Amino acid sequence: DIVMTQSPDSLAVSLGERATINCKSSQSVLYSSNNKNYLAWYQQKPGQPPKLLFYWASTRESEVPDRFSGSGSGTDFTLTISSLQAEDVAVYYCQQYYRTPPTFGQGTKLEIK
Amino acid sequence: QVQLQESGPGLVKPSQTLSLTCTVSGGSISSDSYYWSWIRQPAGKGLEWIGRIYASGTTNYNPSLKSRVTISVDTSKNHFSLKLSSVTAADTAVYYCARDGSYSTRGGFDYWGQGTLVTVSS
Repeated sequence: DIVMTQSPDSLAVSLGERATINCKSSQSVLYSSNNKNYLAWYQQKPGQPPKLLFYWASTRESEVPDRFSGSGSGTDFTLTISSLQAEDVAVYYCQQYYRTPPTFGQGTKLEIK
Repeated sequence: QVQLQESGPGLVKPSQTLSLTCTVSGGSISSDSYYWSWIRQPAGKGLEWIGRIYASGTTNYNPSLKSRVTISVDTSKNHFSLKLSSVTAADTAVYYCARDGSYSTRGGFDYWGQGTLVTVSS
C-alpha cells in the first residue's frame, strides 16, 4: 500500500494568516502517461463526511473558495489556505488514488490560534 | 445533484455480519467511469477505504479486509451494498458510501453519504 504521511498532525493559525499542510507519499503518485498527480485533498468538519477540495493535486472543486490552493508533484504535496477564516477549522486529509487500495493521510487538525 | 444515503442496523453482535445499503439519488449508479465505494472511520480516527464496485459488478477490496468483505450492486434499485462478516469491536466505526472518481476525469471521492454509525457489541 502507498503510505500517506501528513505534517503537522495539528496546526493553530491566527485568523487572516496563512495555513500550510504537507502530505508525503511513500511512492510517486505522478502518472507519466498523462502527467497527472493522483492526489486529492479533503476537509472534514465535526459530524460531517469529508468534502472534496482538490483532485489531480491542484484542481479545485467547484464552490471551494480560492483562498484554498493545492500544489506539489510526485511525492510531496501542499494544501495552503492563504487567509484563514473561522469556517476553515476542520481536519484535512490527503488521499492517493494512484494505486488500489486508495489510502489517506492520518489527518491534520486545523484550529484558530 | 447526486446524493447518497446509507441505511442498515446500527448495532451488530460480535461474530455476526454487518450489512449496509447505499441508495443513490439524483444520478444513475450506472454512470460511466464512476465506481462506488465504502469507507469507514472509527471515532476520532482516520479514514479507511473498504472497497468499491462498478455498475457491471466489478469489485476491488482492501487487502486488509478482503477475506470478510462483499460488495454488491443492484442497478434496478440504484443502490449498492456492503457485507462485512465475522465482525469484532474493531469494526465499530462510521461507515460512509461515496462516489469514486479514481478512474474518471475528476478523481477522488466527490459525493459522500452522511455516514452511519455501526457499533459492534453484544
